[in-house]
Amino acid sequence: GAGVSQSPRYKVAKRGQDVALRCDPISGHVSLFWYQQALGQGPEFLTYFQNEAQLDKSGLPSDRFFAERPEGSVSTLKIQRTQQEDSAVYLCASSSGHSGLTQHFGDGTRLSIL
Amino acid sequence: QKEVEQDPGPLSVPEGAIVSLNCTYSNSAFQYFMWYRQYSRKGPELLMYTYSSGNKEDGRFTAQVDKSSKYISLFIRDSQPSDSATYLCAMSAGDNYGQNFVFGPGTRLSVLP
Repeated sequence: GAGVSQSPRYKVAKRGQDVALRCDPISGHVSLFWYQQALGQGPEFLTYFQNEAQLDKSGLPSDRFFAERPEGSVSTLKIQRTQQEDSAVYLCASSSGHSGLTQHFGDGTRLSIL
Repeated sequence: QKEVEQDPGPLSVPEGAIVSLNCTYSNSAFQYFMWYRQYSRKGPELLMYTYSSGNKEDGRFTAQVDKSSKYISLFIRDSQPSDSATYLCAMSAGDNYGQNFVFGPGTRLSVLP
């Protein structure tokens, strides 16, 4: 497909487990963003990549959250030792330029921590 | 007080009604104002954005920005059942990165046939 693809769509994990969420951006898109969207809330910025460089990770809530984009395309968001408050939808977006104004969102991964 | 406030709704209107969705904000540095539509279990999609104050029209949608009042609005004319979704406002001080993007909590809209 031509859009941003995220997998898995749904993930259930027990508290304390590690999880990995994948984002396939639109081919050729330079910029990639991760957001966290809690139930009933708007997305909150987590981190930003320009190609393989992570230029901003100021939104990551703790050192349990880690993101990478080693080859400048696919990105993985990893959460270690998950906690119940990590339950949310994790959205990925990509943009052809450096502006977030033209970012295209994926449909997200819904993470539930039991 | 949150940086961006938005009436969470839900808001129910009959088909054909004019819908007004609003956001207020506190950060005077915001220059870009966006409206996104998010269908259930889908990612947000950009409807329109405006820079600084003024109005912008796109089909049935009109966005207004009043920076002096720190207030923005989205009007939907001739609303359709397919407009039923959550509408998110977002604001940014610049047009780079995503950090500067601050989203409101969204207003859930239902347009009844």
